[in-house]
Amino acid sequence: GAGVSQSPSNKVTEKGKDVELRCDPISGHTALYWYRQSLGQGLEFLIYFQGNSAPDKSGLPSDRFSAERTGGSVSTLTIQRTQQEDSAVYLCASSPLTSLETQYFGPGTRLLVL
Amino acid sequence: AQSVTQPDIHITVSEGASLELRCNYSYGATPYLFWYVQSPGQGLQLLLKYFSGDTLVQGIKGFEAEFKRSQSSFNLRKPSVHWSDAAEYFCAVGPFGYNKLIFGAGTRLAVHP
Repeated sequence: GAGVSQSPSNKVTEKGKDVELRCDPISGHTALYWYRQSLGQGLEFLIYFQGNSAPDKSGLPSDRFSAERTGGSVSTLTIQRTQQEDSAVYLCASSPLTSLETQYFGPGTRLLVL
Repeated sequence: AQSVTQPDIHITVSEGASLELRCNYSYGATPYLFWYVQSPGQGLQLLLKYFSGDTLVQGIKGFEAEFKRSQSSFNLRKPSVHWSDAAEYFCAVGPFGYNKLIFGAGTRLAVHP
């Protein structure tokens, strides 16, 4: 079946602009995760959704970052007023439930802020 | 705080040679343990996972890992490396009741023909 998909695959933006990154999880997966992969910080957890709720937002680095999930499916990660340090690969993962379940990762969105 | 250490940033092996990638974790109890592989431009693919039971875990592509509680380690092994195994390998832990993974810094594997 189809895996986790993310769009766009690459995004170049200017400092100060807002960007939206999209994640389509595997159909039926109730849990959805966002991670960030950058050269200096490695792979970092950003936020976790269970259904449409986000019980853990502890990894969001600043209030410029927000995420939502609608219909228990698609999720959007929004970065406002982008900064150069936001340049990274943003990875989305989903799992059937939560805890004890394997997370399946998408190919990521590579964001470059000029 | 929970943490994962992968001491080797880069490893180079010859094709056909054996491989061991090291992973140590810091956590108060036994977490759930994972190894993922990332090929250039690709997302993360799960190689294997340990939740409980037999401490020697078999995964895909001929990989295995052994959980050693006394050493807080979960090292990944493969008896004979293929050129296609060149990639970056990440060890991760999911604390009990977890809703996120904590990753090591990764080990980049190069394979010489």
